[in-house]
Amino acid sequence: DVKVTQSSRYLVKRTGEKVFLECVQDMDHENMFWYRQDPGLGLRLIYFSYDVKMKEKGDIPEGYSVSREKKERFSLILESASTNQTSMYLCASSFSAQGWDNEQFFGPGTRLTVL
Amino acid sequence: GENVEQHPSTLSVQEGDSAVIKCTYSDSASNYFPWYKQELGKGPQLIIDIRSNVGEKKDQRIAVTLNKTAKHFSLHITETQPEDSAVYFCAARRLDFGNEKLTFGTGTRLTIIP
Repeated sequence: DVKVTQSSRYLVKRTGEKVFLECVQDMDHENMFWYRQDPGLGLRLIYFSYDVKMKEKGDIPEGYSVSREKKERFSLILESASTNQTSMYLCASSFSAQGWDNEQFFGPGTRLTVL
Repeated sequence: GENVEQHPSTLSVQEGDSAVIKCTYSDSASNYFPWYKQELGKGPQLIIDIRSNVGEKKDQRIAVTLNKTAKHFSLHITETQPEDSAVYFCAARRLDFGNEKLTFGTGTRLTIIP
């Protein structure tokens, strides 16, 4: 079974702190994604990566950065956390489909609260 | 870019009845439409998908229909059971080389009443 793990289920941080969310997948997937999930807004893509050291902005990248130094690991960084970044963060991974359909496999999520 | 609208946001049905969730998309070039189910405390999981060269697809109690002309697609769950209670997301994507991005709808919270 594909497994996507996220470093924390719950996280509480202070405004202005630097926050790291870690995601690891064990299926040798090329693609990795970070989403934010908010009630009434669905899943919104923050950043994604299609290869080591490669990244592309999603729909809401402002206030976030990412790092992918190894194929299996994709980190989301909040340089200076703000209260409007309180949310559920979901990581996902998939094979590179080259134009074909492919399933995204999701981790269980990290619920981040910024006080 | 693509925009996906999903309705209703919440849906309650009696156990054994059918449930229907509807989505519309804006990009006529989108040609792949998956549905994900998110159970409490878990990440979303793919339950069924359809490509634009197919009008309908079934998998046991779940079916998806696609109307390309109207740019809408729907999820149908028949003979609902308590384990169907979850949040459901539709999504759309262009199956182009190099495009791996899914655009998700806003989600439907389905509650099955015993």
